[in-house]
Amino acid sequence: AAGVIQSPRHLIKEKRETATLKCYPIPRHDTVYWYQQGPGQDPQFLISFYEKMQSDKGSIPDRFSAQQFSDYHSELNMSSLELGDSALYFCASGTTAFMNTEAFFGQGTRLTVV
Amino acid sequence: DAKTTQPPSMDCAEGRAANLPCNHSTISGNEYVYWYRQIHSQGPQYIIHGLKNNETNEMASLIITEDRKSSTLILPHATLRDTAVYYCIVTLSGSARQLTFGSGTQLTVLP
Repeated sequence: AAGVIQSPRHLIKEKRETATLKCYPIPRHDTVYWYQQGPGQDPQFLISFYEKMQSDKGSIPDRFSAQQFSDYHSELNMSSLELGDSALYFCASGTTAFMNTEAFFGQGTRLTVV
Repeated sequence: DAKTTQPPSMDCAEGRAANLPCNHSTISGNEYVYWYRQIHSQGPQYIIHGLKNNETNEMASLIITEDRKSSTLILPHATLRDTAVYYCIVTLSGSARQLTFGSGTQLTVLP
């Protein structure tokens, strides 16, 4: 079965550079979530989209922005990168078509800021 | 979403049942209990969820107490590949709500 696809899997950037992470949800899923997981930490919710509209916002820095496109893929744009942005970034997708559904996570993008 | 409390770590012998507890004493009537696990640096993986009845699937069983203030995830025959951080999450269902990951339980399956 198709899973959530994230690209790239690994990314190395220098401080103050920009980065774009991409997420392709499972077909027919209408919701995308972004999470950040720092070293030794638990995943923290950043932002989510439902039907291409922002639905919830968590601890996402102002330097970050995200959007969901007409084909439902999502991109997380990160500017003025800082060393502390080094983390695993997970995307998850889900559907609101049923009452009780789970979120499916991608394998993540490991961002290293040097 | 209700707060959950889990032990930080547990060990289990390979082939034995692993029983992971979770306290959620402030759970409300329309909140579900979800379990996810994260194998080292991989994306979290859904395991099971339930409202008030016990649930079972191919991965695990979920036992929820009658007062719904606690639950137990049971891996019937733990293998080395079950070593992971297990997260108990209480949340509403039927809406695109984000998951709030707490500290979880690091389960180590020993050979």
